[in-house]
Amino acid sequence: SAVISQKPSRDICQRGTSLTIQCQVDSQVTMMFWYRQQPGQSLTLIATANQGSEATYESGFVIDKFPISRPNLTFSTLTVSNMSPEDSSIYLCSVREEGYEQYFGPGTRLTVT
Amino acid sequence: QKEVEQNSGPLSVPEGAIASLNCTYSDRGSQSFFWYRQYSGKSPELIMSIYSNGDKEDGRFTAQLNKASQYVSLLIRDSQPSDSATYLCAVKGGDDYGGSQGNLIFGKGTKLSVKP
Repeated sequence: SAVISQKPSRDICQRGTSLTIQCQVDSQVTMMFWYRQQPGQSLTLIATANQGSEATYESGFVIDKFPISRPNLTFSTLTVSNMSPEDSSIYLCSVREEGYEQYFGPGTRLTVT
Repeated sequence: QKEVEQNSGPLSVPEGAIASLNCTYSDRGSQSFFWYRQYSGKSPELIMSIYSNGDKEDGRFTAQLNKASQYVSLLIRDSQPSDSATYLCAVKGGDDYGGSQGNLIFGKGTKLSVKP
């Protein structure tokens, strides 16, 4: 499976600021996703990062709050904008390889104070 | 609303026993099913995928699928303390689900504890 890295691994941010999370894959992948996992909860899909076009957002998530870039088939960024304590969560990058199997990066643990 | 349901646990089994984890799903059109293991503080790790009715074995893990009953399970034989983790069931929705591209729908996970 693809090797996925994320930066930063964790961060503590102040309310009202923004954080950009990077996801790097060691091979070209068509499908790349961003998930959120709030404390004690399961995974929630934020959006599908589309290469060369605007991301596809799930219900409840908007581009102004979570802008996503996907400049090529190995890299994507997720920005969490104008953060509030409710944004404290683990943010996970995921890729889908051949078939439908999906793999996750190590995650970015975000705490907003 | 398409859902994936799991018993949150915790499920506690003694070392060496069989752990049985269950999952039901609501989308009858689902075709692909996955089990992920998530250790505390770590990201989910794919351990099994199953696409056809019946059993699929991989080492100490067996996934079982019954599409008629909309039920998928994971058996862990000879459970070890290192198997203690949260197990997430994921189902690939139909291509028209939520306007997305057949993305995975996750259950809330079952926490497994294997006692030495």
